[in-house]
Amino acid sequence: AQSVTQLDSQVPVFEEAPVELRCNYSSSVSVYLFWYVQYPNQGLQLLLKYLSGSTLVKGINGFEAEFNKSQTSFHLRKPSVHISDTAEYFCAVKGGKLIFGQGTELSVKP
Amino acid sequence: EAGVVQSPRYKIIEKKQPVAFWCNPISGHNTLYWYRQNLGQGPELLIRYENEEAVDDSQLPKDRFSAERLKGVDSTLKIQPAELGDSAVYLCASSFTPGQGGYTFGSGTRLTVV
Repeated sequence: AQSVTQLDSQVPVFEEAPVELRCNYSSSVSVYLFWYVQYPNQGLQLLLKYLSGSTLVKGINGFEAEFNKSQTSFHLRKPSVHISDTAEYFCAVKGGKLIFGQGTELSVKP
Repeated sequence: EAGVVQSPRYKIIEKKQPVAFWCNPISGHNTLYWYRQNLGQGPELLIRYENEEAVDDSQLPKDRFSAERLKGVDSTLKIQPAELGDSAVYLCASSFTPGQGGYTFGSGTRLTVV
């Protein structure tokens, strides 16, 4: 079985500041890892994914994530956030099923 | 490409009434998923279809929920009768294969049971 823990339920940050959204996972098998973003009243949009290869994965909107197998983590980062990045972010792990974390609400303030 | 289309976007019903949600996946995607997202939570899988076959419905409350994908294309999720606790966003997603990559999600149907 797999599980995902997003360590922060809310992350407030000022515009142009860097941000890190933390995600830990557990699994007894090899997994694929994903980050999705959900804007208000919308569905989920794929930001980036790790399937294999380089542990540093770049996604859309300037986001990147690093897969750390020893720490079972897949933290999401952006060096400089914009107001428009305000949204809910979900980490997900896929061994058999796609399992989502509880979400992190990123709030970017001017 | 139209993306995953869901309807309706919003639905308000009284408890004990039936309700149905419709999903049209991306053309050519043989795998279709229904997820439920409670307020402040991540989505949880209800059922997965491979073409017209439900291959994983272990999380579907079968006493009141049913789903179908008769021709292996669009799908309908039904609740009968609805309960207050069914208020949530119901998301549909699709993919080419179940093994790799992420899914493409629709905008969801927000159900409010009063």
